[in-house]
This record gives sequence, C-alpha cells and structure tokens, in this order.
Amino acid sequence: EAGVTQFPSHSVIEKGQTVTLRCDPISGHDNLYWYRRVMGKEIKFLLHFVKESKQDESGMPNNRFLAERTGGTYSTLKVQPAELEDSGVYFCASSKVPGVAFFGQGTRLTVV
Amino acid sequence: AQTVTQSQPEMSVQEAETVTLSCTYDTSESDYYLFWYKQPPSRQMILVIRQEAYKQQNATENRFSVNFQKAAKSFSLKISDSQLGDAAMYFCAYEEYGNKLVFGAGTILRVKS
Repeated sequence: EAGVTQFPSHSVIEKGQTVTLRCDPISGHDNLYWYRRVMGKEIKFLLHFVKESKQDESGMPNNRFLAERTGGTYSTLKVQPAELEDSGVYFCASSKVPGVAFFGQGTRLTVV
Repeated sequence: AQTVTQSQPEMSVQEAETVTLSCTYDTSESDYYLFWYKQPPSRQMILVIRQEAYKQQNATENRFSVNFQKAAKSFSLKISDSQLGDAAMYFCAYEEYGNKLVFGAGTILRVKS
C-alpha cells in the first residue's frame, strides 16, 4: 500500500511568485490534513478536508493560501503570492479513522 | 484551546542507555489521543507510539513506552536501550477525536556512541 506522497520534495521560489504543493493521500482515506513547520517553531495545523469538503480551515494564515481537494482524492495547496515568512516545511497527513494519521515526507518551501 | 508543551529542546543519551522525553498538555476534554512522532533528518514523520486517554494502561512498542498521567496531563516517552537510529526530532501531539493534531515544539534527541 502506497503511503502519503507529497510533491515536490523541495521548492525554491522568489518572493511574489506562486507555488503549488500537492498531496496524494492513502487511497480510501477521507481525512486529509495540511500542516506546516516554520523554521524553529511548532508544527501548526492549516486545514482539514473530509473528502472534498473543508472541515476546518481555521489554521490558514491568510488569503494568499488556497487549498483544494479535487474529487476527494489528491489535494493542492497554492501560495500566491509567496512571501518570505511562508518558508518552511509543509506536511500532509491522511487518515481513515481518528487517531491514526499517516504523514507524507513533507515539502520544504524556500522563498527568497 | 489545547496546548502541548515539550520543555526539553534537546536531550542526549549514550547508546544502550535509557532516556525520557517530557510532554505536558492542556485540555478540557476527557477523550482524546496522545502521540509521539519521530522526525529523522529525512523528514518523514513516523508514529512512534499512541495512547488513548480512556485507557489507563500505558502504551508500549518494543523499546518505547509512555508514562501517561491523565490527571497531571503528562505524557512522557521512555526510550530504552537507545540506538543510533533513534536520533531524531521527537514531537508530542494531541488529537481530539477526528480533529487536527496539536504539536509540541519538539525535542532533539542525540545519541552518542
């Protein structure tokens, strides 16, 4: 069984550019979460999808961030325009039942 | 709001020795999950151990065990017979059933040979 897959593993972009991160959850997992860790700080929740619906997007920092989950399968997180403070590692996790979340390897985003 | 506190930014342990990582949390809920995740330099977050709050028995997974004190809201991780491969960042996390994870700041564990 394939795990949670994230693309790309690393992205370096200039301030003001747009970046799209992708997460492919484990097949059959209705719950998909996005988290991020800004350098030296805690891992923070961004949002939670149940199938294609946003269950909780209370962690989205501002309207420069847009998350979608097409057909309840993979999800994308777009940052437009990117700012320096958006640099960090973005994690995706999926789960089928509560208490069992599987994480992807993360995408390291560097905004210069 | 729930919070998770890891008071040890960094810990060191000699290979084959035992080390305990501390975690406290704050919640008004009675049912929830607690986790320890490991993040090695490769970045993949790996679940180390999980505890369900309604279970009084402390969870164990081979060399990893927890000391869960519900009343004190404490959830420490003990690693026995430490190995070089245990070196990583360890995160304590809380989950209210089916909801988001709340993480602590992490503890870097260094294992000395």
